[in-house]
Amino acid sequence: SQQGEEDPQALSIQEGENATMNCSYKTSINNLQWYRQNSGRGLVHLILIRSNEREKHSGRLRVTLDTSKKSSSLLITASRAADTASYFCATDEGGRGGSEKLVFGKGTKLTVNP
Amino acid sequence: GAVVSQHPSWVICKSGTSVKIECRSLDFQATTMFWYRQFPKQSLMLMATSNEGSKATYEQGVEKDKFLINHASLTLSTLTVTSAHPEDSSFYICSASDAQGRTEAFFGQGTRLTVV
Repeated sequence: SQQGEEDPQALSIQEGENATMNCSYKTSINNLQWYRQNSGRGLVHLILIRSNEREKHSGRLRVTLDTSKKSSSLLITASRAADTASYFCATDEGGRGGSEKLVFGKGTKLTVNP
Repeated sequence: GAVVSQHPSWVICKSGTSVKIECRSLDFQATTMFWYRQFPKQSLMLMATSNEGSKATYEQGVEKDKFLINHASLTLSTLTVTSAHPEDSSFYICSASDAQGRTEAFFGQGTRLTVV
């Protein structure tokens, strides 16, 4: 089942602008993760936020989590052309925790134009 | 982070043949590995959970006799697509976590399978 649902499905911005992607999920979770995928390649783990955290930063990335609304956002600041990729959120299904069985959203395809 | 190596990165095979894809954890032991499938412009769908030394657990709708999974050691899991058909053409990705149960999963680089 697709638990995470991202929006927008596609986002095109200019270099230097900020990019915000949102993700919603349906069941309880222990954590939510964001991944990046370049076209036709594997996934790169970006950041993990636990259910008891509200915000987390890593470099130019900022992730928020609102468990009451079952939603998360990923903000990429000062975007670069190299940030062009698809971004997926993933949750641990059913919130069982300790398991890396992930349910992925449909992803947001980000294009950063130079 | 830990490294997961997937091989081959791409393969083309004829209909009716079988293809084996390997997933290796290079610098850690993985008691559990996961196999995902991704169609073009779509998200990853979990196919099965591979547990070292035991039978794999398949997701609903995934044929276990068609997608054979073997997890014979703590560093290697294999997925064999048997009697492949063009509709099996897809991007297959594995992930693994270490035996310490860290939540973060590490992904292989994926295998592009094309069945002609």
